[in-house]
Amino acid sequence: ETGVTQSPTHLIKTRGQQVTLRCSSQSGHNTVSWYQQALGQGPQFIFQYYREEENGRGNFPPRFSGLQFPNYSSELNVNALELDDSALYLCASSPGLGSKVYTEAFFGQGTRLTVV
Amino acid sequence: DQQVKQNSPSLSVQEGRISILNCDYTNSMFDYFLWYKKYPAEGPTFLISISSIKDKNEDGRFTVFLNKSAKHLSLHIVPSQPGDSAVYFCAASVLDRDDKIIFGKGTRLHILP
Repeated sequence: ETGVTQSPTHLIKTRGQQVTLRCSSQSGHNTVSWYQQALGQGPQFIFQYYREEENGRGNFPPRFSGLQFPNYSSELNVNALELDDSALYLCASSPGLGSKVYTEAFFGQGTRLTVV
Repeated sequence: DQQVKQNSPSLSVQEGRISILNCDYTNSMFDYFLWYKKYPAEGPTFLISISSIKDKNEDGRFTVFLNKSAKHLSLHIVPSQPGDSAVYFCAASVLDRDDKIIFGKGTRLHILP
């Protein structure tokens, strides 16, 4: 079991609403990456936060935004929800950048978001 | 444009035999290739990686082979065990500003008794 916890585990929202998803990072980890996994697809990179700053962004519109706090936990906010935003949202924490993002990262169990 | 492709959605292998999961990629700039394992209701777990400058990496029952000329990699699991039943994601990354990981769609491995 990893120390990365995501909340809530499941969520149902209506189209047009806003949602905030939360991720606690593993102790000692200062980097958090967020991914969206649609049904039948692999996870897709949304963005990464390193020491409270956005460090990179995938091909997602600006209505996807995030924050990282001083304790390195993180939030993903999605505004103006669309039906296609229905997916499993995963966060991963790692103890730094570079190859540690792959080899020493722990993923949370994900938040299943359903937009109706 | 899918940069990492796993063309087999599922694979069934007898317990004790070898499981071979395949992956193709299109971006010759990838620095690292990775395999993740995912059980239902859990996040992906890092399994094994290989740098683009190597052609083989072994860790216990798991071996990853990289063929750069063919832009192909494979994961071998020997011997296959019931606990290996899971979804396996092939992934790759370029070591740059955000180190984002690009995942394939996954292959569901069933280990048969």
